[in-house]
Amino acid sequence: QKEVEQNSGPLSVPEGAIASLNCTYSDRGSQSFFWYRQYSGKSPELIMSIYSNGDKEDGRFTAQLNKASQYVSLLIRDSQPSDSATYLCAEGDNAGKSTFGDGTTLTVKP
Amino acid sequence: KAGVTQTPRYLIKTRGQQVTLSCSPISGHRSVSWYQQTPGQGLQFLFEYFSETQRNKGNFPGRFSGRQFSNSRSEMNVSTLELGDSALYLCASSLERGNGELFFGEGSRLTVL
Repeated sequence: QKEVEQNSGPLSVPEGAIASLNCTYSDRGSQSFFWYRQYSGKSPELIMSIYSNGDKEDGRFTAQLNKASQYVSLLIRDSQPSDSATYLCAEGDNAGKSTFGDGTTLTVKP
Repeated sequence: KAGVTQTPRYLIKTRGQQVTLSCSPISGHRSVSWYQQTPGQGLQFLFEYFSETQRNKGNFPGRFSGRQFSNSRSEMNVSTLELGDSALYLCASSLERGNGELFFGEGSRLTVL
């Protein structure tokens, strides 16, 4: 049974700070990892995907993958109040199934 | 491009009834998967359909079933509803199976009384 574990949170950062969200996974053979953002009362929205070791940057977001440590992270630079949401880490397999962590709730305080 | 459309958005049923939920994927997306989201269990995989065939199934009882049509639209059915089936049911489409990049609909919120 694959597992994806996330910091339980909640995480609170001041506006303009860097928010760091972390995730570990159990299946050493996993290849595909994703970060979704879910606003309260809304459905998850894909914000980042990462498949190779190292960093992947997209605007203010940077995803980091370390397969040796089975660790995935998401950094949000210059955090804004609009970034306040629950962030879900997910692992995808080739059989069409994604396994999600429980999510970390981020609050960015003005 | 239109997103994933789910209907109905909200519904209330009583124990023992059955419910059918519908999902229209993004145009061109061939894989449709279903997830159940509850506060206690988070997002749990129900099943995935590709080319009208169920390709993968999560750890849910047989009361949960689904199908996919030739136009990639999908339905899921829950029979003999239980109180614990109250949840947000999310449909997600993906360009190809195994892609992993899921695009979710707004969900169908089911309340079982």
